[in-house]
Amino acid sequence: NAGVTQTPKFQVLKTGQSMTLQCAQDMNHNSMYWYRQDPGMGLRLIYYSASEGTTDKGEVPNGYNVSRLNKREFSLRLESAAPSQTSVYFCASSGRGIPEAFFGQGTRLTVV
Amino acid sequence: GNSVTQMEGPVTLSEEAFLTINCTYTATGYPSLFWYVQYPGEGLQLLLKATKADDKGSNKGFEATYRKETTSFHLEKGSVQVSDSAVYFCALSESGNDYKLSFGAGTTVTVRA
Repeated sequence: NAGVTQTPKFQVLKTGQSMTLQCAQDMNHNSMYWYRQDPGMGLRLIYYSASEGTTDKGEVPNGYNVSRLNKREFSLRLESAAPSQTSVYFCASSGRGIPEAFFGQGTRLTVV
Repeated sequence: GNSVTQMEGPVTLSEEAFLTINCTYTATGYPSLFWYVQYPGEGLQLLLKATKADDKGSNKGFEATYRKETTSFHLEKGSVQVSDSAVYFCALSESGNDYKLSFGAGTTVTVRA
């Protein structure tokens, strides 16, 4: 049972480059989330999708876009990477009426 | 809005010592409360949860009680092991907020043999 799978695990980008972080869940969850983790700041919500076909901004959406491709997949795109986007990115999902979220292993992104 | 404040670290303990990590919250409604744990190089795992006032969550020897009167959810373990070394996050979510999680800053715990 894979749960939440993120790719890639590590990535180094140059300033201005673009990339897409992929996330897929196999738990038939309705809701999916993208968080970033920075030292001393916990995890902050970038974007989320409460159901297939909908997406909404979280606390720190600037510089990011998302796509809920289908019920399983939720991708995060950086159109023009900046050093401030150096972080660890986590995808998560939760089921209808279930308050806790399940997390992927994370993507460590460095922008130089 | 919702917010979570947890004890700052890092915390360093000897094996078999007692661990407490304080967590308090601010919420507009009736949140569910969680402790997540992150072992080195891994993602977040749910450690325990409580969904209503006075509930006690427990797992792997860890406990936390949902105290509505003090808006707190402190994590405790009576005798820590080296394998408990990790970062611990307190968090909350609300059904009326699409179950978006609000996290504390995290507390790094190191247990020495």
